[in-house]
Amino acid sequence: GENVEQHPSTLSVQEGDSAVIKCTYSDSASNYFPWYKQELGKGPQLIIDIRSNVGEKKDQRIAVTLNKTAKHFSLHITETQPEDSAVYFCAASNQAGTALIFGKGTTLSVSS
Amino acid sequence: EAGVAQSPRYKIIEKRQSVAFWCNPISGHATLYWYQQILGQGPKLLIQFQNNGVVDDSQLPKDRFSAERLKGVDSTLKIQPAKLEDSAVYLCASSLVPKNEAFFGQGTRLTVV
Repeated sequence: GENVEQHPSTLSVQEGDSAVIKCTYSDSASNYFPWYKQELGKGPQLIIDIRSNVGEKKDQRIAVTLNKTAKHFSLHITETQPEDSAVYFCAASNQAGTALIFGKGTTLSVSS
Repeated sequence: EAGVAQSPRYKIIEKRQSVAFWCNPISGHATLYWYQQILGQGPKLLIQFQNNGVVDDSQLPKDRFSAERLKGVDSTLKIQPAKLEDSAVYLCASSLVPKNEAFFGQGTRLTVV
């Protein structure tokens, strides 16, 4: 089955810096890759996603890139702000209706 | 639109007791998931429903966990008897099919003592 590895497990940056979180997946049939943000005491919230027919997607300060050949995808956050501090999870699934397989998460801390 | 509703938010029980969690997905979402999230880890799928049918329950510990979605809308997850290692946050999520975008509820934090 699918396995998703996520790195780093913790990331500390200064406000205004960029943050990059990387994930690799094992199942070449995977074609949907969302990123979730989870704040303390809350459920994960979708922040951006990408499908396998696209190499890059951007939404304001957040971007995701996908390299299908290498089977890895990354989350890029520019101009980080303290409110970006949270746990971020990558996930993958291989077809419509199939449940997501999550990475172990990255705790991002943005200090002002 | 209203989000995924879960109750209770918190539950503390003794080992060997039983507990039940309830989830009401977003209106119109045919797919419903229950995930278990142990502290410091990513969510792990327990069971996936499509309407009122089970799509995947391969990782559900069926000797103690059960789940149902009788009318294809809300769902309950039950643990009987609970073990210490069941302490976790139980997350419910729903999605439209065939889209994969899943929306999560706030979760139920279970502590087994």
